[in-house]
Amino acid sequence: QSVLTQPPSVSGAPGQRVTISCTGSSSNIGADYDVHWYQQLPGTAPKLLISGNSNRPSGVPDRFSGSKSGTSASLAITGLQAEDEADYYCQSYDSSLRAYVFGAGTKVTVL
Amino acid sequence: EVQLVESGGGLVQPGGSLRLSCVASGFSFSRYWMHWVRQAPGKGLEWVSRIDIDGTTTIYADSVKGRFTISRDNAKNTMYLQTNSLRAEDTAVYYCARGPPTLCFDYWGQGTLVTVSS
Repeated sequence: QSVLTQPPSVSGAPGQRVTISCTGSSSNIGADYDVHWYQQLPGTAPKLLISGNSNRPSGVPDRFSGSKSGTSASLAITGLQAEDEADYYCQSYDSSLRAYVFGAGTKVTVL
Repeated sequence: EVQLVESGGGLVQPGGSLRLSCVASGFSFSRYWMHWVRQAPGKGLEWVSRIDIDGTTTIYADSVKGRFTISRDNAKNTMYLQTNSLRAEDTAVYYCARGPPTLCFDYWGQGTLVTVSS
């Protein structure tokens, strides 16, 4: 059971917009710790996609955006492309556990 | 270019030990916290351990506390993970990752596979 809750899967047609939710609690996201998002393409290492809730590192397309409110965060992918098929993970820090925590991951499928 | 290269994984029997290494290049290694994150086959990501810039402060996930030890040698730009009393559930790809002050993991290595099996 992950500390952060994500849907197991989302899907969309090319060009569509999909969103992935990440729900935490008062000891992590709700305690004002930032949420970060990672993209893991099949067979590769994770890559930082969004840092500090909504900041895109250099090289990340602006089709990817993040937001945070209360004890939840979300990742949006607009103009979905075939190359976006991957697993996406949210991550934060938990002050009660004194540990970095991940969601279980969401598999994005492009129909 | 930031590069992180892990090594030291392999097949080990339950109860055995392995020492993983992560060699860093392309940035000032001694200025960053560093982490180990693992991923069991077909599963999600699990944070394992963090070490601060000079190695004086370390923290661990409960699942490995007392069995794993993280360390670093800033002169060699290298981080280590000594894994003892290994269990089947420790089977995973172990990634090293750089930890900026924002509490994320901004660069990852390619990972090294640890398989615990008799």
